[in-house]
Amino acid sequence: EVQLVESGGGSVQPGGSLRLSCAASGFSFSIYWMSWVRQAPGKGLEWVANIKQDGSDKNYLDSVKGRFTISRDNAKNSLFLQMNSLRVEDTAVYYCAKQRDPIATPLSIYNSWGQGTLVTVSS
Amino acid sequence: DIVMTQSPDSLAVSLGERATINCKSSQSVLYSSDNKNYLVWYQQKPGQPPKLLIYWASTRESGVPDRFSGSGSGTDFTLTISSLRAEDVAVYYCQQYYDAPLTFGGGTKVEIK
Repeated sequence: EVQLVESGGGSVQPGGSLRLSCAASGFSFSIYWMSWVRQAPGKGLEWVANIKQDGSDKNYLDSVKGRFTISRDNAKNSLFLQMNSLRVEDTAVYYCAKQRDPIATPLSIYNSWGQGTLVTVSS
Repeated sequence: DIVMTQSPDSLAVSLGERATINCKSSQSVLYSSDNKNYLVWYQQKPGQPPKLLIYWASTRESGVPDRFSGSGSGTDFTLTISSLRAEDVAVYYCQQYYDAPLTFGGGTKVEIK
């Protein structure tokens, strides 16, 4: 059974940093693009970033470029999101998501999601 | 960026009745080389992550009840729940995977009348 378990969320002041982690199990982690998708409280879904199977290609939402860094450790079946210079508008539940099929393109659909970790940015 | 617009924002439907949700993309998500619409529907119940329902605009994911169906092409798409059940109360999102960045519609909340 596929499992994605996020951790690392919490409360932080504007300008602060957090590092999110996603522990994956139940599938061959290294053959899938992986993504972070967020959802502000009471709002819709917003794709944030994704990373290629070997980590050689990364893509970001324009509003997080230069502030967030996605990475992965295939040996430990883990996905990460380093978030720096956090803003109030980054407040959201952050989901780790797995693409449905192990394809080469980052343009994916997601068939497995974690339960999410809440990031709150407030002074 | 491709903008996805859903309508209505919410709807209330009686049990056993049909629910229809619309999704419009700001540009076509039909890829001419494979004649596929790069459009997916998710269901999100309160306190849960999204669940994949339909991809390629009309292909039901394994295990999804056949009362859920998707239709449309190009820029206009529809998710239909043919006979609403209590467990279908949720927010439904469309998403395009035709171009980067991946973008979602704003969601449609389905409730029981």
